[in-house]
Amino acid sequence: DAGVIQSPRHEVTEMGQEVTLRCKPISGHNSLFWYRQTMMRGLELLIYFNNNVPIDDSGMPEDRFSAKMPNASFSTLKIQPSEPRDSAVYFCASASGGTTGELFFGEGSRLTVL
Amino acid sequence: KQEVTQIPAALSVPEGENLVLNCSFTDSAIYNLQWFRQDPGKGLTSLLLIQSSQREQTSGRLNASLDKSSGRSTLYIAASQPGDSATYLCAVYPGGFKTIFGAGTRLFVKA
Repeated sequence: DAGVIQSPRHEVTEMGQEVTLRCKPISGHNSLFWYRQTMMRGLELLIYFNNNVPIDDSGMPEDRFSAKMPNASFSTLKIQPSEPRDSAVYFCASASGGTTGELFFGEGSRLTVL
Repeated sequence: KQEVTQIPAALSVPEGENLVLNCSFTDSAIYNLQWFRQDPGKGLTSLLLIQSSQREQTSGRLNASLDKSSGRSTLYIAASQPGDSATYLCAVYPGGFKTIFGAGTRLFVKA
């Protein structure tokens, strides 16, 4: 398996623009997570999907952030409008669920908002 | 509230040295503990997963132990190499869906 695939790897945009990050989880995994990593705050869980259904989005910082999972093989994280403080690396991770909880991460999308 | 602490925050060792990275957690009610490696600009790579019923796991030069009662895990790296230089993160899974991560230990192995 190719692992968790994220795109784009790098995104530079101007404040106010819409940003869409994409993720393809490992085939057969029924849990998908979006994380954000910064030097100051480390890894933060933004949202968790199970069987394509958002279970907990309490980590989503503001209404400017939204995430969807239209099917088992694709998820998006959208920021609209973007702000400089959104600059971070955004990771997608997937897991096979159950109580094993072993996480597999993508390479991340590095977002810079000018 | 579960908290995960990793000590030291950074470590520099000469090549060939055996080393131990430490991870502590405040609540022993966990399903598993996972060690990750993160290279600069890269994602997290899973190294070892220890289920709550296990005491240790080994992969090559890596050995991870788990002592739930004391809330501790160690990652032992034998015969360290410059290629081992990376940040190592410990994460505990208390159930549900939220994995709790430590801040990581940044390791530098000098040639």
